[in-house]
Amino acid sequence: AQSVAQPEDQVNVAEGNPLTVKCTYSVSGNPYLFWYVQYPNRGLQFLLKYITGDNLVKGSYGFEAEFNKSQTSFHLKKPSALVSDSALYFCAVTGGGADGLTFGKGTHLIIQP
Amino acid sequence: ETGVTQTPRHLVMGMTNKKSLKCEQHLGHNAMYWYKQSAKKPLELMFVYNFKEQTENNSVPSRFSPECPNSSHLFLHLHTLQPEDSALYLCASSQFSIGTGTSASEQFFGPGTRLTVL
Repeated sequence: AQSVAQPEDQVNVAEGNPLTVKCTYSVSGNPYLFWYVQYPNRGLQFLLKYITGDNLVKGSYGFEAEFNKSQTSFHLKKPSALVSDSALYFCAVTGGGADGLTFGKGTHLIIQP
Repeated sequence: ETGVTQTPRHLVMGMTNKKSLKCEQHLGHNAMYWYKQSAKKPLELMFVYNFKEQTENNSVPSRFSPECPNSSHLFLHLHTLQPEDSALYLCASSQFSIGTGTSASEQFFGPGTRLTVL
């Protein structure tokens, strides 16, 4: 079985500061890892993914994530936060095959002006 | 229309009603999904369709019945629901790799249907 843990329900960051949203995973075989963002009353939007290759993945809106196999982590980062980054962020994993994604419970990111 | 669309956006129904949710994807994908998003719970995968064939049913109650008539359309038929079924129902699509038998591509989500069961 595959699983994702997002240990923080909420992360508060001042505008302009770097941000990190944490994610750890458990999966059989090689993981395919994703980050999604959800704004109020909207569906999920894809931010970035790790399939293979470089451990540092760059995505939309200046976000990036670092795959760490030994720590089974895939933390989301951004060097300088914007108020408009405030949203609900989901980490997801699949071990391949025909399965859908397994999502974490989500982390509310609040960027304070 | 582009992307993934869902109708209706909001639905209120009684426990004895029968209704259907509709999803349409305009991305040329071959896999479609239904998810349930409840307050304070992780996103729950309900159904997966690859090439119009259902490949996964995560122990969803029979009062939810999916239908995938073609690779662009997905329905969720609802009957005799319970108040605890009130949630945001999200549809998604992706490109399933025939050669590798994997779904490593990202999923594209619709805006969801906010369902309230009275």
